[in-house]
Amino acid sequence: AAGVIQSPRHLIKEKRETATLKCYPIPRHDTVYWYQQGPGQDPQFLISFYEKMQSDKGSIPDRFSAQQFSDYHSELNMSSLELGDSALYFCASSSPGQTQETQYFGPGTRLLVL
Amino acid sequence: AQTVTQSQPEMSVQEAETVTLSCTYDTSESDYYLFWYKQPPSRQMILVIRQEAYKQQNATENRFSVNFQKAAKSFSLKISDSQLGDAAMYFCAYRSIQGGSEKLVFGKGMKLTVNP
Repeated sequence: AAGVIQSPRHLIKEKRETATLKCYPIPRHDTVYWYQQGPGQDPQFLISFYEKMQSDKGSIPDRFSAQQFSDYHSELNMSSLELGDSALYFCASSSPGQTQETQYFGPGTRLLVL
Repeated sequence: AQTVTQSQPEMSVQEAETVTLSCTYDTSESDYYLFWYKQPPSRQMILVIRQEAYKQQNATENRFSVNFQKAAKSFSLKISDSQLGDAAMYFCAYRSIQGGSEKLVFGKGMKLTVNP
């Protein structure tokens, strides 16, 4: 079965640079979620989109922005990167209907800020 | 705000034996969802099992089952016939239904070691 696709899988950036993470949800899934997992931490919710509109917002820094496109893929844009942004960034998706509460995670993008 | 607590940071089990992972949560809501996710060394987040709070019947998925005690706000995961591949971090998670919040709230996780 098709899963959530994230690209790139690994990313190395310098401080103050910009990064763009991409997420392609499972086909026919219309909701996308972004989470950040620091080393040894649990995933923290950043933001979510439903039908291209922001549906929920968590502890996302103002330096970060995200959007969902007409094909339901989503991008997380991160500017003025800081050392503390080094983390594993997950995208998850869910489907409309009966199992919409279940979020299926992608493999994550490992971001290292030097 | 909802919170999820996993009080045991680490556990170990012998292969083929049974282990129970504990999770408690705090909420004022009457309806919600609870999940267990597994994160192996690859760090992929894999759904193990899901429980709807309005269902009294405990969820089961092959060797995985839960003991859901709504009044006690407890949601433990039992792994039967443990296998080496079960070694991973296990996260308990809560998802609200009310108020439009879709986010998963995770516990701090528990590292499970399976000894051959």
